[in-house]
Order: sequence, then structure tokens, then C-alpha cells
Amino acid sequence: QQQVKQSPQSLIVQKGGISIINCAYENTAFDYFPWYQQFPGKGPALLIAIRPDVSEKKEGRFTISFNKSAKQFSLHIMDSQPGDSATYFCAATASNTGKLIFGQGTTLQVKP
Amino acid sequence: ETGVTQTPRHLVMGMTNKKSLKCEQHLGHNAMYWYKQSAKKPLELMFVYSLEERVENNSVPSRFSPECPNSSHLFLHLHTLQPEDSALYLCASSLYDRTNEKLFFGSGTQLSVL
Repeated sequence: QQQVKQSPQSLIVQKGGISIINCAYENTAFDYFPWYQQFPGKGPALLIAIRPDVSEKKEGRFTISFNKSAKQFSLHIMDSQPGDSATYFCAATASNTGKLIFGQGTTLQVKP
Repeated sequence: ETGVTQTPRHLVMGMTNKKSLKCEQHLGHNAMYWYKQSAKKPLELMFVYSLEERVENNSVPSRFSPECPNSSHLFLHLHTLQPEDSALYLCASSLYDRTNEKLFFGSGTQLSVL
């Protein structure tokens, strides 16, 4: 019940296309859902996050869509650029645990 | 840079060696974490320190021994490791308020155990 399942494992998108990464969770106590971006040789960095009181959050070309009833959330990258090529991790946590649970990661390659 | 510095960046050690990983944060945070990152697996939380007190130990084998002498420094002491312990070890820090809302990660130590 503590798992966060992420798909796909890898993704190749053409420049200008839309990249979509999906995550699913079981624990209904989870109330904070961040996405982290990791470039080779670097640690993960917070990209964008959402709480379940809203169904969508947008920051520039990055959008999180959240479906509370389905216990799913996804990251959409609009107008994908080669510089977006990285590994993306979804995560979830419940406020009373202080423990962030990560998905398996998605390696995104944006081709020029 | 994220404000979290890890050394060394790379480490190769034999199974009988003893080595230590170091992490330092310059962000004024009061919580520090060790994560293990293996290929095609989720980041695994190993240890959490809040105000220099260990508050989380995720069933990590005793061959990994953390130390947090103050809120800015975190160590991971390694001894008699196994080849399956080869991974990227990430340190992170945050303001600990039971939500882990924003973790700041270092660049990690890539560990190879021969």
C-alpha cells in the first residue's frame, strides 16, 4: 500500500511534442504529490508538486493532472525540448508520516 | 548548486574496506537524509535525522552506520559491504515538519563494491 507505481520506464519524444508520465498510488492518506527531475550526474530536484484539493497545477510547460478517485496523477511536459531529457520521479507522502515514497523513475529522451 | 555537497563523488572499495561518505548542507535545514538509488528501482530511504536525532531507520543492514554530529553534517560509515550495495548514495536536507515537502539533494556518491 506504500508503493507508488510509475510508467512508462522510458519515453522518447520528438522536440515540440508532449511528454506524459503516469503514476498510481494505493494509500488514500497520501496528501502531497511532488515530481522530481534528475539530470545525469546530479541529484533529483523538485520540479512541481500538487495537493489533492486541486485537479491540475501548471508551471510553465509542466502540468500535473490529479485524479483523486482513480488515485492517479500524471506529469505533462508541453513543447518538449532536448534540455528536458532527464529522469523523472513521481513521489507521494502523507503529512503525518514525514516519509516520501518515490516511483521507479522514467527516463525521458527528447530528440531534436 | 543545491546547497548540499557530497564527497567523494565516486568511490571504489573492496568488501573488507572501511570508508565514509560525507554530506554537508548550507541551507539552514534541520533534517538530513540518506537515500540509496539503484538502477530501475525507486529511491530507497535509508536514514532520517531531525535535529541531529535519528528518527527513521528503514531496516538498513548494520554494515551501514550513519552519524550526524550537527545539523549541517551527515556521514555514512561503510564496512564489509557486499557487491549488491553498489549504487548511487544520495544525501538530502529539508526543513523537518513531518511533511518532507521539499528535499534538496546532493549530487550523490557513486559507490562500487568489488
